[in-house]
Amino acid sequence: NAGVTQTPKFRILKIGQSMTLQCAQDMNHNYMYWYRQDPGMGLKLIYYSVGAGITDKGEVPNGYNVSRSTTEDFPLRLELAAPSQTSVYFCASVIGTGGFYGYTFGSGTRLTVV
Amino acid sequence: AQSVTQLDSHVSVSEGTPVLLRCNYSSSYSPSLFWYVQHPNKGLQLLLKYTSAATLVKGINGFEAEFKKSETSFHLTKPSAHMSDAAEYFCVVDSGSARQLTFGSGTQLTVLP
Repeated sequence: NAGVTQTPKFRILKIGQSMTLQCAQDMNHNYMYWYRQDPGMGLKLIYYSVGAGITDKGEVPNGYNVSRSTTEDFPLRLELAAPSQTSVYFCASVIGTGGFYGYTFGSGTRLTVV
Repeated sequence: AQSVTQLDSHVSVSEGTPVLLRCNYSSSYSPSLFWYVQHPNKGLQLLLKYTSAATLVKGINGFEAEFKKSETSFHLTKPSAHMSDAAEYFCVVDSGSARQLTFGSGTQLTVLP
């Protein structure tokens, strides 16, 4: 049981490049999320998904896209990277049902756009 | 909409003295509330959570928090600070509809020897 696995851990992109941040969970959680954390700030929600084939925008979705073709995987796509997307990205998941639940966070991807 | 306000961006305490990190929340219903800790260049670790059971919640490493609905507060306390407690602490509310989390802006705790 690996929890939430994020890859890569670090990445440097040039302005205008694209990349996909990978997130996978093996806990059969139906809810998954992508957050970004800027220096000295709390986490802000980019996109979330409540199940395979269902995604929705969070607070800061501009410049990003997601897909959820399986329960396990929730990749985040950056198109035309900009310096403002320099941040640490966290993926998280939760069971989504029942009154007692806990979130599991990945270890993060540190992205720098130069 | 749910929101969280952490009242102090920085708190400094001496080792062995009490810790108080303040958090107020706004919610249109009875929320679930969490405290997370983040050590430098690390991920997020759950300290404790309130999910409408006992209002005094005990967490890991000697931390506890009290849910006070009348004051809309969820302050984090610890009787005696340890050097290893130095970190960033986030108060978080469950936004409900799809269990999105809304994070406070964080409190940086410094522990002085």
